[in-house]
Amino acid sequence: AQSVTQLDSQVPVFEEAPVELRCNYSSSVSVYLFWYVQYPNQGLQLLLKYLSGSTLVESINGFEAEFNKSQTSFHLRKPSVHISDTAEYFCAVSEYGGATNKLIFGTGTLLAVQP
Amino acid sequence: EAGVAQSPRYKIIEKRQSVAFWCNPISGHATLYWYQQILGQGPKLLIQFQNNGVVDDSQLPKDRFSAERLKGVDSTLKIQPAKLEDSAVYLCASSPWTESGNTIYFGEGSWLTVV
Repeated sequence: AQSVTQLDSQVPVFEEAPVELRCNYSSSVSVYLFWYVQYPNQGLQLLLKYLSGSTLVESINGFEAEFNKSQTSFHLRKPSVHISDTAEYFCAVSEYGGATNKLIFGTGTLLAVQP
Repeated sequence: EAGVAQSPRYKIIEKRQSVAFWCNPISGHATLYWYQQILGQGPKLLIQFQNNGVVDDSQLPKDRFSAERLKGVDSTLKIQPAKLEDSAVYLCASSPWTESGNTIYFGEGSWLTVV
């Protein structure tokens, strides 16, 4: 079974400052890793995912995440945030090579960008 | 390309009443999911369909929840009778295939309040 821990429920940050949202996972098997973003009153949207290959993955809007197998982490970072990045961010895992596509989510981190 | 459509967006019912949510996935997507998102928690998978067959319903409270996808396209999730703890956002999602690693596309959700 897999589990995901997002220790920070809220992260306040000023506009143009860097940010890191932490994600750790636990699994007895290899996993795929995902970050989803949920803007107010909207559904979840995929931000980025790690399936294989380079451990550093990037999104089109400047976020990046690095898979660290030894630390079982997949932290999300952005060097300079904008007001529009204010949203809830969910880290998720699914079983590598699994027959189903079941996602196990963390509890989410609210990124609150202040002017 | 149209996204995942859900209705109704908002519903308020009294406990012990029934409610039904409808979902139309992205055209051509074989796999359909229903997730439950309780306030302050990450989404939890209730049921996963591959075409019109159930792949995983291990976390569906079958004494009160039911779901169907009769023609392998749209789906209905029903709760009867509702309890206070069923207050949540019900997210429908779809993906092209069942295998893990596929990107899952979420609808905007159906917000249920049980009073």
